[in-house]
Amino acid sequence: DAKTTQPTSMDCAEGRAANLPCNHSTISGNEYVYWYRQIHSQGPQYIIHGLKNNETNEMASLIITEDRKSSTLILPHATLRDTAVYYCIVRASNNAGNMLTFGGGTRLMVKP
Amino acid sequence: DAGVIQSPRHEVTEMGQEVTLRCKPISGHNSLFWYRQTMMRGLELLIYFNNNVPIDDSGMPEDRFSAKMPNASFSTLKIQPSEPRDSAVYFCASSLSRSQETQYFGPGTRLLVL
Repeated sequence: DAKTTQPTSMDCAEGRAANLPCNHSTISGNEYVYWYRQIHSQGPQYIIHGLKNNETNEMASLIITEDRKSSTLILPHATLRDTAVYYCIVRASNNAGNMLTFGGGTRLMVKP
Repeated sequence: DAGVIQSPRHEVTEMGQEVTLRCKPISGHNSLFWYRQTMMRGLELLIYFNNNVPIDDSGMPEDRFSAKMPNASFSTLKIQPSEPRDSAVYFCASSLSRSQETQYFGPGTRLLVL
């Protein structure tokens, strides 16, 4: 699975959009981009995933560039409860083991 | 659904003692994963099962660690003998199938080995 690069930390004002970038320049054609987050003292939580097209669900939006070398997770109206470590993970669709390789993630701090 | 259930939530033990961590996956899920999280190494996959069969245990640190899944609703991770460097948070996760992308994590077991 391809490696990802994320900023170590980011701040965001409560109520504003949080835009979390992820670089995955070595991504290959059959690899999906996944986002998980981990709130303090909890287990990781699935947020969203995508292959080529932009995706949106009740939690967030995922914007993937046309060349698929980077993506951005958008939390449209961040709240204090969105303070967490956000992990961007690339996983091949033929990864039969469904294994997830977590990197360092981005520590998002939402401030009042 | 209750989600993935882990017990105990916290465990404090002395070096050399046996430690057993337990996990109940979400009903109907066929894949189960054990992860370990430390400040130094982050979140690491230790082993995963599919249909109760261990598929990849390459992440298990050494022979002191063993995992079993006797049935679809129960798994254990055992450390014998435990060492201080085993102190970490151990997470169990399950997914619907091997190819299902969404893994659901339990709340974790915080282990401290003195």
